[in-house]
Amino acid sequence: QVQLVESGGGVVQPGRSLRLSCAASGFTFSHYGMHWVRQAPGKGLEWVAGISYLGSEEYYADSVEGRFVISRDNSRNTLSLQMDGLRPEDTARYSCVKVMTMGPFASPFDSWGQGALVTVSS
Amino acid sequence: ESVVTQSPGTVSLSPGERATLSCRASQSLPSTYVAWYQQKPGQAPRLLVAGTSSRATGIPDRFSGSGSGTDFTLTISRLEPEDFAVYYCQQYGRSSWTFGPGTKVEIK
Repeated sequence: QVQLVESGGGVVQPGRSLRLSCAASGFTFSHYGMHWVRQAPGKGLEWVAGISYLGSEEYYADSVEGRFVISRDNSRNTLSLQMDGLRPEDTARYSCVKVMTMGPFASPFDSWGQGALVTVSS
Repeated sequence: ESVVTQSPGTVSLSPGERATLSCRASQSLPSTYVAWYQQKPGQAPRLLVAGTSSRATGIPDRFSGSGSGTDFTLTISRLEPEDFAVYYCQQYGRSSWTFGPGTKVEIK
């Protein structure tokens, strides 16, 4: 079955950087678009960034555009999120998410990892 | 960027009752669709409905999605004890995947 396992979370000071990784298994990783979604403690879901199955297209929420970069390595079945210029409002659990449909990018999310907690605080 | 709103914020119902959850998008964007997710405390969200009205694999038929344009609805025909949770709608397309703030369905 699909498994998505995030790593790299932790506590970081404002303005610093952090890199999250997601190890994917149980499906053909290179056939599916992937995303990062975050959820602040006690709050709702916020889409952060998405990348197409070949990595040729990247999209970002306005709140992270210019600070975060999503990438993927299809040879290693790995998704990453480089987060620079972190702010306290970026504090959240970040989950790696797989889209439901192969190929087309316009697809909802059908599998989620348990997430990596990122805390931005001085 | 489209904004998605949901109403009500919280609804209190009894098992066996019908739940009607609303979702409104600020824009009717071409080639965009609506999905619905259920989230229980401490768990990852679960996809219920995709493409506005198609139930995801394994989702019971008491869940149904409908709507068009900017107004969408998730209906739970008869609430089961396991249905009390938070429900999120999502407007998705080729370059945007915006969630609404959620509706909490709580036991009355």
